[in-house]
Amino acid sequence: EAGVAQSPRYKIIEKRQSVAFWCNPISGHATLYWYQQILGQGPKLLIQFQNNGVVDDSQLPKDRFSAERLKGVDSTLKIQPAKLEDSAVYLCASSLSFLNTEAFFGQGTRLTVV
Amino acid sequence: GENVGLHLPTLSVQEGDNSIINCAYSNSASDYFIWYKQESGKGPQFIIDIRSNMDKRQGQRVTVLLNKTVKHLSLQIAATQPGDSAVYFCAENGYNFNKFYFGSGTKLNVKP
Repeated sequence: EAGVAQSPRYKIIEKRQSVAFWCNPISGHATLYWYQQILGQGPKLLIQFQNNGVVDDSQLPKDRFSAERLKGVDSTLKIQPAKLEDSAVYLCASSLSFLNTEAFFGQGTRLTVV
Repeated sequence: GENVGLHLPTLSVQEGDNSIINCAYSNSASDYFIWYKQESGKGPQFIIDIRSNMDKRQGQRVTVLLNKTVKHLSLQIAATQPGDSAVYFCAENGYNFNKFYFGSGTKLNVKP
């Protein structure tokens, strides 16, 4: 079974530029998550989708971050404009449903904002 | 987010010894917990989970213990191997379905 696919693996941008990350979850997984992991910390949930609807985006900085999952399959996370403190690994995860099932993570995209 | 903390940021053990990694959680409404292993440059990998109606669950070389009275979770790794070296996170779902809250992690160093 293929895992969660993310691209790109690495990205370096200057502050105030924009960037987009892509995620393709495990086939059949209805729930998709985006997490931000700052170096030395645990992952922090940014947004959770159930199919193409947003379940929770309470910790998403909506003035600069946006995410979509238009067809309920793959998803894009965008940052515009980026700040230095956005430097982190952005992890995508998926789970079969939102009812107490484990989330499977992709390898992440390491973003460096300079 | 929820307060999912770990008692020790770094744990060093000798190869072949047993390892115990602890985790405290704050939300008594949490009913599902997962331990994840994260190796350098990789995403978190599922190790084992436990639901709140259980006190103990065993996997291959790993055991998770849940003490709901004191809101404590532990991961026991038997016969620790060099490949077990990684950062370990516990995650709880709080009171929101499948919305996992992670602590800061414990780094496990296995000495040969």
